[in-house]
Amino acid sequence: AQSVTQLGSHVSVSEGALVLLRCNYSSSVPPYLFWYVQYPNQGLQLLLKYTSAATLVKGINGFEAEFKKSETSFHLTKPSAHMSDAAEYFCAVGKGGFGNEKLTFGTGTRLTIIP
Amino acid sequence: DAEITQSPRHKITETGRQVTLACHQTWNHNNMFWYRQDLGHGLRLIHYSYGVQDTNKGEVSDGYSVSRSNTEDLPLTLESAASSQTSVYFCASSGAGWGTGELFFGEGSRLTVL
Repeated sequence: AQSVTQLGSHVSVSEGALVLLRCNYSSSVPPYLFWYVQYPNQGLQLLLKYTSAATLVKGINGFEAEFKKSETSFHLTKPSAHMSDAAEYFCAVGKGGFGNEKLTFGTGTRLTIIP
Repeated sequence: DAEITQSPRHKITETGRQVTLACHQTWNHNNMFWYRQDLGHGLRLIHYSYGVQDTNKGEVSDGYSVSRSNTEDLPLTLESAASSQTSVYFCASSGAGWGTGELFFGEGSRLTVL
């Protein structure tokens, strides 16, 4: 079975400050890991993904995440927060290969940006 | 542009009524999914389909059913709505087979069961 745990259901950062959203995973097979973002009243959209290639993954809007197998982590970062980053962020895990899209999502982290 | 649309976007119903939420995608994707989103639970998979006539149960399938008669549509039916099914429902689709894991989501259907 696969699962992800997102630490912190709410995170607040000042505009221009570092954004760090935490995600730890559990998987019996090499995982595929994803971050999705949900803006208010919208569906989710893919931010970035790790699929066993480079461990540092760059996504849209200046976000990146690093896969650390020793720590079973896939934390999301952005060097400088912007007001438009306010949203809910979901970490997700898939098993790779056929059926990879049957993802298991975390409970989400709501990011608030303080002006 | 290709898209995935859900209807209705908002619905209020009574306990015991049958409800169907529609999902239509123009991506020509083989894979389609229904998730529900609840505070504190994130998104949980209800049912999914890897192609026409294929349907599979997810982790919270009790009280829900789906059917896949064509590539474009995967309607979700609540046979007898319960208050515990008050939620926001998301449909998603993705390309075939050995996937990238990228799901394309609709904008959601908010269902309230009174």
